[in-house]
Amino acid sequence: EAGVAQSPRYKIIEKRQSVAFWCNPISGHATLYWYQQILGQGPKLLIQFQNNGVVDDSQLPKDRFSAERLKGVDSTLKIQPAKLEDSAVYLCASSSTGHTDTQYFGPGTRLTVL
Amino acid sequence: DAKTTQPTSMDCAEGRAANLPCNHSTISGNEYVYWYRQIHSQGPQYIIHGLKNNETNEMASLIITEDRKSSTLILPHATLRDTAVYYCIVRVGGAAGNKLTFGGGTRVLVKP
Repeated sequence: EAGVAQSPRYKIIEKRQSVAFWCNPISGHATLYWYQQILGQGPKLLIQFQNNGVVDDSQLPKDRFSAERLKGVDSTLKIQPAKLEDSAVYLCASSSTGHTDTQYFGPGTRLTVL
Repeated sequence: DAKTTQPTSMDCAEGRAANLPCNHSTISGNEYVYWYRQIHSQGPQYIIHGLKNNETNEMASLIITEDRKSSTLILPHATLRDTAVYYCIVRVGGAAGNKLTFGGGTRVLVKP
Protein backbone atom coordinates (compact mmCIF):
# COMPACT_ATOMS: atom_id res chain seq x y z
CA GLU A 1 0.00 0.00 0.00
CA ALA A 2 1.46 3.34 -1.04
CA GLY A 3 1.90 5.91 1.72
CA VAL A 4 1.07 9.60 1.83
CA ALA A 5 2.97 11.47 -0.89
CA GLN A 6 4.10 15.08 -0.63
CA SER A 7 5.94 17.43 -2.91
CA PRO A 8 8.22 19.22 -3.04
CA ARG A 9 10.41 17.86 -0.24
CA TYR A 10 12.29 21.14 0.14
CA LYS A 11 11.52 24.74 -0.82
CA ILE A 12 13.44 27.96 -0.26
CA ILE A 13 11.74 31.29 -0.95
CA GLU A 14 12.13 34.92 0.03
CA LYS A 15 9.67 36.64 2.33
CA ARG A 16 6.57 38.03 0.64
CA GLN A 17 6.75 35.38 -2.08
CA SER A 18 4.08 32.71 -2.46
CA VAL A 19 4.48 28.94 -2.23
CA ALA A 20 2.29 25.86 -2.64
CA PHE A 21 2.58 22.34 -1.30
CA TRP A 22 0.88 19.25 -2.66
CA CYS A 23 -0.36 16.14 -0.88
CA ASN A 24 -1.73 12.83 -2.18
CA PRO A 25 -3.25 10.79 0.66
CA ILE A 26 -3.48 7.03 0.99
CA SER A 27 -6.06 5.66 -1.44
CA GLY A 28 -9.51 5.55 0.09
CA HIS A 29 -8.73 7.78 3.07
CA ALA A 30 -11.53 10.29 3.49
CA THR A 31 -9.83 12.50 6.07
CA LEU A 32 -6.81 14.64 5.26
CA TYR A 33 -4.81 16.86 7.61
CA TRP A 34 -2.15 19.54 7.21
CA TYR A 35 0.20 20.11 10.15
CA GLN A 36 2.93 22.70 10.66
CA GLN A 37 6.04 21.67 12.60
CA ILE A 38 8.42 24.40 13.70
CA LEU A 39 11.93 23.26 14.56
CA GLY A 40 12.09 21.73 18.04
CA GLN A 41 8.33 21.52 18.49
CA GLY A 42 5.64 18.92 17.89
CA PRO A 43 3.39 19.21 14.84
CA LYS A 44 0.42 21.58 15.07
CA LEU A 45 -2.78 21.04 13.10
CA LEU A 46 -3.53 23.73 10.51
CA ILE A 47 -6.56 22.29 8.74
CA GLN A 48 -8.56 19.07 8.52
CA PHE A 49 -10.70 17.93 5.58
CA GLN A 50 -13.39 15.27 5.52
CA ASN A 51 -13.70 14.37 1.83
CA ASN A 52 -13.71 17.84 0.23
CA GLY A 53 -15.22 19.71 3.19
CA VAL A 54 -13.34 21.55 5.94
CA VAL A 55 -13.84 20.07 9.42
CA ASP A 56 -11.42 22.23 11.42
CA ASP A 57 -9.40 25.24 10.28
CA SER A 58 -9.32 27.08 13.60
CA GLN A 59 -5.49 27.20 13.67
CA LEU A 60 -5.04 28.24 10.03
CA PRO A 61 -3.78 31.86 9.60
CA LYS A 62 -6.41 32.66 7.01
CA ASP A 63 -4.95 36.02 6.04
CA ARG A 64 -2.06 34.24 4.34
CA PHE A 65 -2.72 30.49 4.32
CA SER A 66 -5.27 28.68 2.19
CA ALA A 67 -5.95 25.03 1.44
CA GLU A 68 -8.22 23.11 -0.85
CA ARG A 69 -9.19 19.54 -1.58
CA LEU A 70 -11.40 19.96 -4.60
CA LYS A 71 -12.20 16.36 -5.53
CA GLY A 72 -11.83 14.85 -2.10
CA VAL A 73 -8.47 13.27 -2.91
CA ASP A 74 -5.37 15.45 -3.44
CA SER A 75 -4.89 18.63 -1.49
CA THR A 76 -2.89 21.83 -1.90
CA LEU A 77 -1.73 24.17 0.87
CA LYS A 78 -0.72 27.70 -0.16
CA ILE A 79 1.03 30.53 1.64
CA GLN A 80 0.79 34.04 0.20
CA PRO A 81 2.68 36.12 1.16
CA ALA A 82 5.21 34.14 3.18
CA LYS A 83 6.79 35.47 6.37
CA LEU A 84 10.04 34.50 8.05
CA GLU A 85 8.09 32.73 10.82
CA ASP A 86 6.50 30.38 8.27
CA SER A 87 9.80 28.50 8.06
CA ALA A 88 8.81 25.00 9.16
CA VAL A 89 8.07 21.49 7.96
CA TYR A 90 4.58 21.08 6.55
CA LEU A 91 3.22 17.61 7.11
CA CYS A 92 0.25 16.00 5.43
CA ALA A 93 -1.56 13.07 7.03
CA SER A 94 -4.58 10.99 6.13
CA SER A 95 -6.89 8.55 7.88
CA SER A 96 -9.86 6.39 7.10
CA THR A 97 -13.11 6.74 8.98
CA GLY A 98 -12.96 3.35 10.61
CA HIS A 99 -12.90 2.67 14.33
CA THR A 100 -9.20 3.21 14.87
CA ASP A 101 -8.82 6.13 12.40
CA THR A 102 -5.04 6.01 12.71
CA GLN A 103 -3.34 8.94 11.01
CA TYR A 104 -0.55 8.18 8.55
CA PHE A 105 1.92 10.94 7.78
CA GLY A 106 3.85 11.87 4.68
CA PRO A 107 7.55 12.83 4.74
CA GLY A 108 6.79 16.55 4.87
CA THR A 109 7.94 19.62 2.97
CA ARG A 110 10.67 21.67 4.58
CA LEU A 111 10.10 25.38 3.87
CA THR A 112 12.78 27.98 4.44
CA VAL A 113 11.76 31.63 4.15
CA LEU A 114 14.70 34.05 3.76
CA ASP B 1 -8.02 16.63 24.61
CA ALA B 2 -6.19 15.85 27.86
CA LYS B 3 -2.67 17.13 28.32
CA THR B 4 0.25 14.72 28.67
CA THR B 5 3.58 15.02 30.46
CA GLN B 6 6.68 13.20 29.24
CA PRO B 7 10.36 13.41 30.15
CA THR B 8 12.28 15.62 27.75
CA SER B 9 14.91 13.03 26.93
CA MET B 10 16.27 9.63 27.83
CA ASP B 11 19.05 7.30 26.77
CA CYS B 12 18.94 3.54 26.52
CA ALA B 13 21.36 0.80 25.56
CA GLU B 14 21.02 -1.10 22.32
CA GLY B 15 19.41 -4.50 22.86
CA ARG B 16 17.84 -3.52 26.16
CA ALA B 17 14.21 -2.67 26.81
CA ALA B 18 13.27 1.01 26.66
CA ASN B 19 10.49 2.12 28.99
CA LEU B 20 8.95 5.48 28.11
CA PRO B 21 6.61 6.98 30.72
CA CYS B 22 3.68 9.31 30.12
CA ASN B 23 1.40 11.04 32.61
CA HIS B 24 -2.16 11.93 31.60
CA SER B 25 -3.88 12.53 34.92
CA THR B 26 -6.84 14.44 33.38
CA ILE B 27 -7.74 11.78 30.82
CA SER B 28 -11.46 11.28 30.21
CA GLY B 29 -13.25 7.95 30.04
CA ASN B 30 -13.64 8.08 26.26
CA GLU B 31 -10.06 9.15 25.50
CA TYR B 32 -7.50 6.75 24.09
CA VAL B 33 -3.73 6.85 24.64
CA TYR B 34 -1.81 7.00 21.35
CA TRP B 35 1.93 6.78 20.76
CA TYR B 36 3.70 8.10 17.69
CA ARG B 37 7.39 8.50 17.00
CA GLN B 38 9.29 10.77 14.65
CA ILE B 39 12.65 9.76 13.31
CA HIS B 40 14.84 12.61 12.13
CA SER B 41 13.65 14.20 8.85
CA GLN B 42 10.61 11.93 8.62
CA GLY B 43 6.92 12.34 9.36
CA PRO B 44 5.47 10.93 12.59
CA GLN B 45 4.89 7.18 12.60
CA TYR B 46 2.03 5.47 14.43
CA ILE B 47 3.19 2.94 17.04
CA ILE B 48 0.28 1.77 19.16
CA HIS B 49 -2.83 2.91 21.01
CA GLY B 50 -5.06 1.68 23.84
CA LEU B 51 -8.05 2.58 25.99
CA LYS B 52 -7.60 0.71 29.28
CA ASN B 53 -6.22 -2.72 28.53
CA ASN B 54 -2.57 -3.37 27.86
CA GLU B 55 -1.78 -3.68 24.16
CA THR B 56 1.04 -5.29 22.19
CA ASN B 57 1.96 -5.26 18.53
CA GLU B 58 5.04 -5.97 16.48
CA MET B 59 6.62 -2.66 17.42
CA ALA B 60 5.91 -2.18 21.11
CA SER B 61 3.80 -2.82 24.19
CA LEU B 62 1.58 -0.29 25.92
CA ILE B 63 0.93 -0.60 29.63
CA ILE B 64 -1.86 1.58 31.03
CA THR B 65 -2.35 1.88 34.79
CA GLU B 66 -5.66 0.79 36.26
CA ASP B 67 -6.68 4.39 37.02
CA ARG B 68 -5.59 5.36 33.46
CA LYS B 69 -3.66 8.36 34.74
CA SER B 70 -0.37 7.16 33.31
CA SER B 71 1.04 4.74 30.78
CA THR B 72 4.36 3.27 29.66
CA LEU B 73 5.48 2.47 26.14
CA ILE B 74 7.90 -0.45 26.06
CA LEU B 75 10.28 -1.08 23.19
CA PRO B 76 11.37 -4.62 24.06
CA HIS B 77 14.77 -4.72 22.34
CA ALA B 78 15.85 -1.22 21.37
CA THR B 79 17.94 -0.82 18.21
CA LEU B 80 19.85 2.17 16.91
CA ARG B 81 16.99 2.76 14.46
CA ASP B 82 14.64 3.38 17.39
CA THR B 83 16.40 6.68 18.06
CA ALA B 84 13.58 9.21 17.63
CA VAL B 85 11.22 11.61 19.39
CA TYR B 86 8.33 9.70 20.96
CA TYR B 87 4.98 11.44 21.44
CA CYS B 88 2.29 10.34 23.88
CA ILE B 89 -1.13 11.74 22.90
CA VAL B 90 -4.58 11.31 24.37
CA ARG B 91 -7.61 11.87 22.18
CA VAL B 92 -11.14 10.70 21.66
CA GLY B 93 -11.08 7.60 19.49
CA GLY B 94 -13.62 5.98 17.25
CA ALA B 95 -15.01 9.24 15.91
CA ALA B 96 -13.93 10.19 12.44
CA GLY B 97 -10.83 12.28 12.27
CA ASN B 98 -10.14 13.83 15.65
CA LYS B 99 -6.96 15.84 15.49
CA LEU B 100 -3.74 14.85 17.22
CA THR B 101 -2.41 17.42 19.69
CA PHE B 102 1.33 16.89 19.96
CA GLY B 103 3.37 17.99 22.95
CA GLY B 104 7.14 18.15 23.08
CA GLY B 105 7.65 14.39 23.28
CA THR B 106 10.59 12.41 24.66
CA ARG B 107 13.82 12.43 22.70
CA VAL B 108 15.17 8.87 22.92
CA LEU B 109 18.77 8.13 22.06
CA VAL B 110 19.70 4.47 21.70
CA LYS B 111 23.40 3.98 22.29
CA PRO B 112 25.57 1.06 21.14
